[in-house]
Amino acid sequence: DIQMTQSPSSVSASVGDRVIITCRASQDIGKWVAWYQQKPGKAPNLLIYSASSLQGGVPSRFSGSGSGTDFTLTISSLQSEDFATYHCQHANSFPLTFGGGTKVEIK
Amino acid sequence: EVQLVESGGGLVQPGGSLRLSCAASGFTFSSYAMSWVRQAPGKGLEWVSCIDKGAGTYYADSVKGRFTISRDNSKNTVFLQMSSLRAEDTAVYYCAKDLTTVSTGWFDSWGQGTLVTVSS
Repeated sequence: DIQMTQSPSSVSASVGDRVIITCRASQDIGKWVAWYQQKPGKAPNLLIYSASSLQGGVPSRFSGSGSGTDFTLTISSLQSEDFATYHCQHANSFPLTFGGGTKVEIK
Repeated sequence: EVQLVESGGGLVQPGGSLRLSCAASGFTFSSYAMSWVRQAPGKGLEWVSCIDKGAGTYYADSVKGRFTISRDNSKNTVFLQMSSLRAEDTAVYYCAKDLTTVSTGWFDSWGQGTLVTVSS
């Protein structure tokens, strides 16, 4: 099975900061990565798929990059509504797996 | 508007069974793969199972042989039959819709979740 290792597990940041979250796959998965945002008590929301494609309705301050084994989610200028937990997920093959999550907290 | 509404969660004893349902609307249900994803309290997301539009099924190792996914396209509903339940199956269970009609494994719509608690 493919493992997804996400870091950091948490980050403290201020409004306006640039935040970078990384995810490493245990083997080459091409661009088969998605990123989700999840707020407390809510279902996840798709932000990025195919490593770098922005899902419709998602603000352009979110971007994704990477291929192979190393992937990043970047929030270019953190807004108050972005404080949440972010999850990466591979879809290269079954079983699908998620990273452990990154909680973005207010500094 | 896409809507996914889960039901069937609750408290069950270890070794027991439970059947979850997810009623879908707002899209051509039969054209999309559907998955179940769970989240244990305070933990991350765990993919559980997928059924594609051809009714092919896939499972996480942790539930293989105990859980069965199925779909009824006439009722726009996907099911998860869970048996031999364990304490570690305690979680909120979400159903999720695939992004496109060509199964990608990415999920663009999620239900609100249904809580399953396995405890004596």
